Amino acid sequence: DTAVSQTPKYLVTQMGNDKSIKCEQNLGHDTMYWYKQDSKKFLKIMFSYNNKELIINETVPNRFSPKSPDKAHLNLHINSLELGDSAVYFCASSPLTGEKETQYFGPGTRLLVL
Amino acid sequence: GESVGLHLPTLSVQEGDNSIINCAYSNSASDYFIWYKQESGKGPQFIIDIRSNMDKRQGQRVTVLLNKTVKHLSLQIAATQPGDSAVYFCAEKRGGTSYGKLTFGQGTILTVHP
Repeated sequence: DTAVSQTPKYLVTQMGNDKSIKCEQNLGHDTMYWYKQDSKKFLKIMFSYNNKELIINETVPNRFSPKSPDKAHLNLHINSLELGDSAVYFCASSPLTGEKETQYFGPGTRLLVL
Repeated sequence: GESVGLHLPTLSVQEGDNSIINCAYSNSASDYFIWYKQESGKGPQFIIDIRSNMDKRQGQRVTVLLNKTVKHLSLQIAATQPGDSAVYFCAEKRGGTSYGKLTFGQGTILTVHP
């Protein structure tokens, strides 16, 4: 069983388009995250949601809007895509508090903006 | 072989050797540290973690050492195997109300030659 899953795995689109990436976790975790990994492999957090509530927003352009319909899902919608948005986007989840705060990552969505 | 950390992001070893990957973290208030392994085309995979009240933790073939005095973290892999080839990231979490925010290091590319 896949613990954290993302769709699509690959996304190629034109500049200016709007696209969404979906994420689901079946670990029963309370917290979900979106990370962006650039071409130099640098991983940076974008957003975090705890029980559908936004708790981290790392000065991401407002073209990026996360949406959490329930605590098992965290989707990322991107408006007016730009060339610089090309990257790999990872979803992750964790139990927020307690002994284990480990974040578990999905397989990534490779976004290419042309 | 031994990595000198962020200034040498590539480490090549022979199969069977022990590997040491180093990481210098930035925030003295960080209380939780994780090592992740990322294979090509995949998401980061949890290897081992350590809290700031410990200085050493062992897993299967891996050991994490934490030196809070100099803000240094290392990952030791015993009897390195070709399947260990990947990019390795350290990540730190600041204590208090950081809500699970992880700050990732640059990453070290480990290549294991058969």
